[in-house]
Amino acid sequence: DQQVKQNSPSLSVQEGRISILNCDYTNSMFDYFLWYKKYPAEGPTFLISISSIKDKNEDGRFTVFLNKSAKHLSLHIVPSQPGDSAVYFCAASGGGADGLTFGKGTHLIIQP
Amino acid sequence: DTAVSQTPKYLVTQMGNDKSIKCEQNLGHDTMYWYKQDSKKFLKIMFSYNNKELIINETVPNRFSPKSPDKAHLNLHINSLELGDSAVYFCASSLRQAGYTFGSGTRLTVV
Repeated sequence: DQQVKQNSPSLSVQEGRISILNCDYTNSMFDYFLWYKKYPAEGPTFLISISSIKDKNEDGRFTVFLNKSAKHLSLHIVPSQPGDSAVYFCAASGGGADGLTFGKGTHLIIQP
Repeated sequence: DTAVSQTPKYLVTQMGNDKSIKCEQNLGHDTMYWYKQDSKKFLKIMFSYNNKELIINETVPNRFSPKSPDKAHLNLHINSLELGDSAVYFCASSLRQAGYTFGSGTRLTVV
């Protein structure tokens, strides 16, 4: 039973355009959400996070939006750059010591 | 100056063997974790551990056991390795459920 879902296994975006990665969750107890970026043969690298008390958090080219009523969050990258090509994981936490629940990831490909 | 380091990076071993993967963090975090990324690239938590409690994902076989000699280390021991244990194992740490930082992974291949 997947509690965090990323329904797009891959996404191709032209360089300079906006990349939008989506994530849905089912567990109402989740109150903290994170996005990680992962290159092959490396560990996930933290990108940006958002607490459930907010609906938007911005850090440079990266913005995360949270819609609690829809149990949906999205990561916007603008403008997209070639170095953004990687697998992006959405993750959620319920505040306890039980770690993060991850989605299956979306492979973002930035085309020149 | 690696924040979360795990060794070895690659581990190839025969079925039935017992092996360990080591993890150390120098971030002063209070909680450490082990995650498994399977062949479908799905990252799933196996254990979380702080000074007070060990939380085990109920789907993890009891052949897997975490050992924490101190707050900065959480090693993963695996007994009687099986083919299905082949995966990439990631160590991670956090401070009061924030600042999650991952190691670079250990690719375990059981032959």
